[in-house]
Amino acid sequence: GESVGLHLPTLSVQEGDNSIINCAYSNSASDYFIWYKQESGKGPQFIIDIRSNMDKRQGQRVTVLLNKTVKHLSLQIAATQPGDSAVYFCAENNNTGGFKTIFGAGTRLFVKA
Amino acid sequence: DTGVSQDPRHKITKRGQNVTFRCDPISEHNRLYWYRQTLGQGPEFLTYFQNEAQLEKSRLLSDRFSAERPKGSFSTLEIQRTEQGDSAMYLCASSLGLVETYEQYFGPGTRLTVT
Repeated sequence: GESVGLHLPTLSVQEGDNSIINCAYSNSASDYFIWYKQESGKGPQFIIDIRSNMDKRQGQRVTVLLNKTVKHLSLQIAATQPGDSAVYFCAENNNTGGFKTIFGAGTRLFVKA
Repeated sequence: DTGVSQDPRHKITKRGQNVTFRCDPISEHNRLYWYRQTLGQGPEFLTYFQNEAQLEKSRLLSDRFSAERPKGSFSTLEIQRTEQGDSAMYLCASSLGLVETYEQYFGPGTRLTVT
């Protein structure tokens, strides 16, 4: 069945270091992937997305990598800042699923000053 | 602030009571979504509207749950005969409905506690 999961529930990094958050998905029909950031008491906030015809996409301080062979995607945050502390979710969509977005369980990122 | 608002932000109710939540999406967004999120988990899709049409419903949406979007603008989610297992954060999101992106803008959520 459909599932999106994450390898690690928590990640602790030093301020200024790069962070890498990993995600595995199982639905090979998924053609669109999104990373969301959720801060305490708030709804998820879109960070970056990638289509299945790409393997890398860059934004401001963030990069998403997609490896369709092993059904894995990652979010890289450069020069991690205290404001990056949050829970990060990967999510997937596919055409056959309509506009239903399937979220993984999330990784909590702690940034140490 | 994403521009999506939800009301109320918190709701405490006794088991068996009915509750209704409201979501006001970004005005030009034609798609609206409801999700449920429990502690430590990602949001779970409940239902989705395109304008006033409810196009998809999750198996999670039992007969006690109903959602409407009567004029294609705001939406309501009603839970009848609430159960303790309904305690969760209920999130609403909206999107423009562009083919190029599924980016959704989430509201702050309504936290429901059923006692």
